[in-house]
Amino acid sequence: GAGVSQSPRYKVAKRGQDVALRCDPISGHVSLFWYQQALGQGPEFLTYFQNEAQLDKSGLPSDRFFAERPEGSVSTLKIQRTQQEDSAVYLCASSVSQGGNGYTFGSGTRLTVV
Amino acid sequence: DAKTTQPPSMDCAEGRAANLPCNHSTISGNEYVYWYRQIHSQGPQYIIHGLKNNETNEMASLIITEDRKSSTLILPHATLRDTAVYYCIGYNSGGSNYKLTFGKGTLLTVNP
Repeated sequence: GAGVSQSPRYKVAKRGQDVALRCDPISGHVSLFWYQQALGQGPEFLTYFQNEAQLDKSGLPSDRFFAERPEGSVSTLKIQRTQQEDSAVYLCASSVSQGGNGYTFGSGTRLTVV
Repeated sequence: DAKTTQPPSMDCAEGRAANLPCNHSTISGNEYVYWYRQIHSQGPQYIIHGLKNNETNEMASLIITEDRKSSTLILPHATLRDTAVYYCIGYNSGGSNYKLTFGKGTLLTVNP
């Protein structure tokens, strides 16, 4: 597609519920990133994939967070047993390479845990 | 990556130039200065980047001081659609680096 597509656009989850957030990167983009953006803050790095390989997951805040990209294209960010502090916008970005000017971000998924 | 400092907010009149400053006194010699912006309810959008020379593209101009301790992003004729949070990021695109470290940015409000 023309851009990075994320779904759902909004998600309300009850505390303790599991959620799955989807990212469709630009076709052919090797690199894929997930960022978390709390209200009033800049985005913060969560994890990085190069094709299907997860090369860096140092930003994942806890073991309740899990990301995958099994075929090197679509990626899913899963959050188990959601907590209120997980409420944030989750942004996905893709890039042809890892250069800083090549990132294209999606519009994000706004997760609200109630 | 270098820590950057930006004013939290700025105002600009529509049609006038918007000059957004950024301090990056700890930037290293091989770190570029990148600018992204984030319009409400959208993801960040790349604007421009530079190392030490001034740069211009269809969106903006970037002026970097000779000592590279600060820079200014210039939107020459701001429109209402330029209202957004603007992020200045020090980034080394070489080697295995790939993380963008965003601060809080500057909220630019363009007024009619």
